[in-house]
Amino acid sequence: DGGITQSPKYLFRKEGQNVTLSCEQNLNHDAMYWYRQDPGQGLRLIYYSQIVNDFQKGDIAEGYSVSREKKESFPLTVTSAQKNPTAFYLCASSISRAGVTKNIQYFGAGTRLSVL
Amino acid sequence: QKEVEQNSGPLSVPEGAIASLNCTYSDRGSQSFFWYRQYSGKSPELIMFIYSNGDKEDGRFTAQLNKASQYVSLLIRDSQPSDSATYLCAVNDYGQNFVFGPGTRLSVLP
Repeated sequence: DGGITQSPKYLFRKEGQNVTLSCEQNLNHDAMYWYRQDPGQGLRLIYYSQIVNDFQKGDIAEGYSVSREKKESFPLTVTSAQKNPTAFYLCASSISRAGVTKNIQYFGAGTRLSVL
Repeated sequence: QKEVEQNSGPLSVPEGAIASLNCTYSDRGSQSFFWYRQYSGKSPELIMFIYSNGDKEDGRFTAQLNKASQYVSLLIRDSQPSDSATYLCAVNDYGQNFVFGPGTRLSVLP
């Protein structure tokens, strides 16, 4: 079954704690993305990666970190520096080759993070 | 700053009516355009994409693109209560950049 798997579905963070959200895809997509969505708001880009061992900051990268050691995996760490982490986190992937007309972005089911 | 704008709604239509959702974008280099449906508490689900000026139909959904006016719309015919959701418009420049609008909340009244 091809798709994007995010885990856990729900996550709770204690003050001062780092937490890591998992994202795995078996679509053979080159690009992977992390978005944050607050209630009633649109999607804001945190980080994206086009190839292994390379990633770029999005609009709201402060307080977050990522790694891309494998094509299939793009974990997001929410660090203690992120003072307001409560949100819905969405991982997405796309083919992302330049000039590809059907560069469609697909989403995982999301992780809902709350602060204890 | 590349921007995508949508009316936040809520847009309310009676069951069986046509729902019309609109989206404008600022980047003339945008090449591909997407409509996602997002139910409350769920992740976005792709329902339509369009690349060329004109209309593209898929079942009850029609996407309309006018690149000269930098405008893309989604029509939902015979609207059903199950269509009640937030609809996100997104644009892409054939690269890695996807820009999303804030979404329009649609409510279909039985």
